[in-house]
Amino acid sequence: SYVLTQPPSVSVAPGQTARITCGGNNIGSDSVHWYQQKPGQAPVMVVYDLTDRPSGIPERFSDSKSGNTATLTISRVEAGDEADYYCQVWDSSTAHYVFGTGTKVTVL
Amino acid sequence: QVQLVESGGGVVQPGRSLRLSCVASDFNFRTYGMHWVRQAPGKGLEWVALISYDGSNEMYADSVRGRFTLSRDNSKNTLYLQMNSLRVEDTAVYHCAKDGAYGAYGGPMPFDLWGRGTLVTVSS
Repeated sequence: SYVLTQPPSVSVAPGQTARITCGGNNIGSDSVHWYQQKPGQAPVMVVYDLTDRPSGIPERFSDSKSGNTATLTISRVEAGDEADYYCQVWDSSTAHYVFGTGTKVTVL
Repeated sequence: QVQLVESGGGVVQPGRSLRLSCVASDFNFRTYGMHWVRQAPGKGLEWVALISYDGSNEMYADSVRGRFTLSRDNSKNTLYLQMNSLRVEDTAVYHCAKDGAYGAYGGPMPFDLWGRGTLVTVSS
């Protein structure tokens, strides 16, 4: 089955850059989407399908892919960016949807 | 206001049933596929099921296939999840989510709108 692996946690100081990786065997050929979830709130899509952002999401959020790894980059990190982040793909072999294991971003 | 609001969660014994609802507001509900995604306490997100925009097709995760059934009433902008033969491991917050693809069924588009979820606790 399709597995997406993320680091459990990332810590970053305000104003610095946070990078969250998402590793998967077929990720190089798949569309990868990223979601932010704050405690007790609904997840929010922050980046989809390589560099596209929904309206209202700041340009500080971007993503990239290299080989079997996708990376969500948060530039100029703010206290309000503290949340859990999940990557997600559609597995074309099963037509099912797969989420990454999730990364907790802590702003120091 | 564009939103999804879930309801119907609660505490239920193993083997019993529960039906969740999700009401959509301020978008053309009948033209989008809809998903359920769950999150066990302290755990990550798990996709549960998808129903096509017109309700003619459904798809389920292996963990719930044969026990859960999706349906929708487009005249009421409402999505349903009928959960039968519940297990302790079904305990989770259940979110409904809108598929990002207009008039499609499945595919690589993201979940572009989510509800806050409703908590289902399966316990004896």
